[in-house]
Amino acid sequence: GESVGLHLPTLSVQEGDNSIINCAYSNSASDYFIWYKQESGKGPQFIIDIRSNMDKRQGQRVTVLLNKTVKHLSLQIAATQPGDSAVYFCAEVPYGQNFVFGPGTRLSVLP
Amino acid sequence: DTAVSQTPKYLVTQMGNDKSIKCEQNLGHDTMYWYKQDSKKFLKIMFSYNNKELIINETVPNRFSPKSPDKAHLNLHINSLELGDSAVYFCASTVGRKSGELFFGEGSRLTVL
Repeated sequence: GESVGLHLPTLSVQEGDNSIINCAYSNSASDYFIWYKQESGKGPQFIIDIRSNMDKRQGQRVTVLLNKTVKHLSLQIAATQPGDSAVYFCAEVPYGQNFVFGPGTRLSVLP
Repeated sequence: DTAVSQTPKYLVTQMGNDKSIKCEQNLGHDTMYWYKQDSKKFLKIMFSYNNKELIINETVPNRFSPKSPDKAHLNLHINSLELGDSAVYFCASTVGRKSGELFFGEGSRLTVL
C-alpha cells in the first residue's frame, strides 16, 4: 500500500519545553494548510490553520509557520504538556482539490 | 452532542464477509468523506459526497461502496472483505467542498481475520 516504507517520525520532549513539529508539503498550488492532532483511539481534531497569504498564525500555545519558498510548515507548541502527547498531521489543500494529509509525527511528552 | 458519529466503533469479521459502517453528522455540512488509516497512521481519502453526489473516488476497489441516503449520512459498505481491509475507517465532514475545517468521527476499527 501507500504506506509501505514510511515510518511514523517521533519527537520526544520534556514537559514544559517547547515542541516544534515539521512538515514538508508537495504542491506549490496549495493555498490552505491545517494542523490536526490525533489522540490514541480518537479521530483527528483541528488545531490551527493558515492561508497561503500569511506566514505565521498564533493560537493558544500553538503557532503555525509557513515558508512557501521551501514548501515547509511547522507547528510550535509552547510549554508542552502531557496532554499534548498525540500524533500530529499537517494537511495541505491545493486550490480546487481535496485535503492531502502528511504522514504524521508522534509527539511524546516526557515527565 | 457528537458532531460526527460513526458505528460500530469496533468490527471483527471473517474474510469474505460483507459489512457496513454508518456515519451521521449533525453539523449541517454539505460534504462528507471516508478516510482509511492504516497501521502506520497514514490517512488516505477514499470517497467524498457533496449534496448526495459522489464527487471523488480515489483508487479504491469497487468492493467498497459509499451510500448516502441524505446529506447528513454517508455509510460505507464493503463486500468480500480481505485481510488488507483491516484498518481504522474515519468519517469526516466539512462545510464546503475542498475548504474549511474537516470534522472527524471517532473512527471504526475493522479487523478482518
